[in-house]
Amino acid sequence: DTAVSQTPKYLVTQMGNDKSIKCEQNLGHDTMYWYKQDSKKFLKIMFSYNNKELIINETVPNRFSPKSPDKAHLNLHINSLELGDSAVYFCASSQVGNYGYTFGSGTRLTVV
Amino acid sequence: AQSVTQLDSQVPVFEEAPVELRCNYSSSVSVYLFWYVQYPNQGLQLLLKYLSGSTLVKGINGFEAEFNKSQTSFHLRKPSVHISDTAEYFCAVRGATNKLIFGTGTLLAVQP
Repeated sequence: DTAVSQTPKYLVTQMGNDKSIKCEQNLGHDTMYWYKQDSKKFLKIMFSYNNKELIINETVPNRFSPKSPDKAHLNLHINSLELGDSAVYFCASSQVGNYGYTFGSGTRLTVV
Repeated sequence: AQSVTQLDSQVPVFEEAPVELRCNYSSSVSVYLFWYVQYPNQGLQLLLKYLSGSTLVKGINGFEAEFNKSQTSFHLRKPSVHISDTAEYFCAVRGATNKLIFGTGTLLAVQP
């Protein structure tokens, strides 16, 4: 029973397209996150939502828009994809007081 | 602001030998410290965490880490490694901002 699940696992698309990545957690956590891992394996936080409210919004192009319909879901929509957007995107969740994050298995996005 | 430094990008070691992966952090406030492991083409799995209390923390797969406040370090150790321990290891810090900030990772390469 997967705790944090992301779909799709792989995504290959052309420059200029719009795509979405979905994330769901069944842990009952109240906070969800999106991280980007680049080709050098560096992990950087992009967004965080707490109970559907945006609480962390790092310096990310506004082509990236997160949406949280409820506290168990956090989706990432990307407009006008560029080559530099190619990366692995990880969703994570946490609960107040737990301090650690639980990560999904990642979505490998390749823009051609 | 918090930051994490992993000085070693790669650590080669022979099977059954001991290993230490180094991690140093900087923060002006109390922090929580974590080690995560990422196996090839997989997500991040929590190895262990330091929140408070005993400075020696034991985790999964025989790993342990020691929190040293005076040296602002949180080094990861294992007395005897296996081939299956080959993976990328990330040190992370979480402080007042509630953001989990990662180091650049250390590739543990276990050789037979």
